Amino acid sequence: KQEVTQIPAALSVPEGENLVLNCSFTDSAIYNLQWFRQDPGKGLTSLLLIQSSQREQTSGRLNASLDKSSGRSTLYIAASQPGDSATYLCAVSNFGNEKLTFGTGTRLTIIP
Amino acid sequence: DGGITQSPKYLFRKEGQNVTLSCEQNLNHDAMYWYRQDPGQGLRLIYYSQIVNDFQKGDIAEGYSVSREKKESFPLTVTSAQKNPTAFYLCASSPAAGNEQFFGPGTRLTVL
Repeated sequence: KQEVTQIPAALSVPEGENLVLNCSFTDSAIYNLQWFRQDPGKGLTSLLLIQSSQREQTSGRLNASLDKSSGRSTLYIAASQPGDSATYLCAVSNFGNEKLTFGTGTRLTIIP
Repeated sequence: DGGITQSPKYLFRKEGQNVTLSCEQNLNHDAMYWYRQDPGQGLRLIYYSQIVNDFQKGDIAEGYSVSREKKESFPLTVTSAQKNPTAFYLCASSPAAGNEQFFGPGTRLTVL
């Protein structure tokens, strides 16, 4: 059974700093991995999708990497801004299983 | 304006009542999903549908029912058999099962 872990549960950093969020998973036979952002009381916004054959994806100030062999993904946020404050969730899908397994998220606070 | 809509945003239910949550998408996606989110827990899959007139149970289907009579619509009924229905409910869709998922704004259900 796939399990997804995100540590730390909460993180605070000063504005302007670069930061890394971590995601680990127990079953390396993944189909893809998705990073989401969730603002309080809102739905999820898809940030990046990495296919199992890829090692990284970039969108603006965001860069996500994937290392299947070690069961890890990171989300790098460059030059953080107060608007980046939100909860970030990662989720993985496995081959032959259409569902996403979610981590519990990292609540990020950017301090102005 | 393409996207996923969920209604209502807030829903209050008395114990013993069934309620139906609406999810509509105009993205022409084949697959649709229902998740439940509780504080401190990751999203958990309730039901999913890969195609019209077909759906499968997720991890926590007990006390819930769905239908998929139209490609655009995937309503979720929370029945009186669901022991602890108070939660945030999220609907998602994807072009096909296993592809990137996109989420609606959510419905917060409270049992009084």
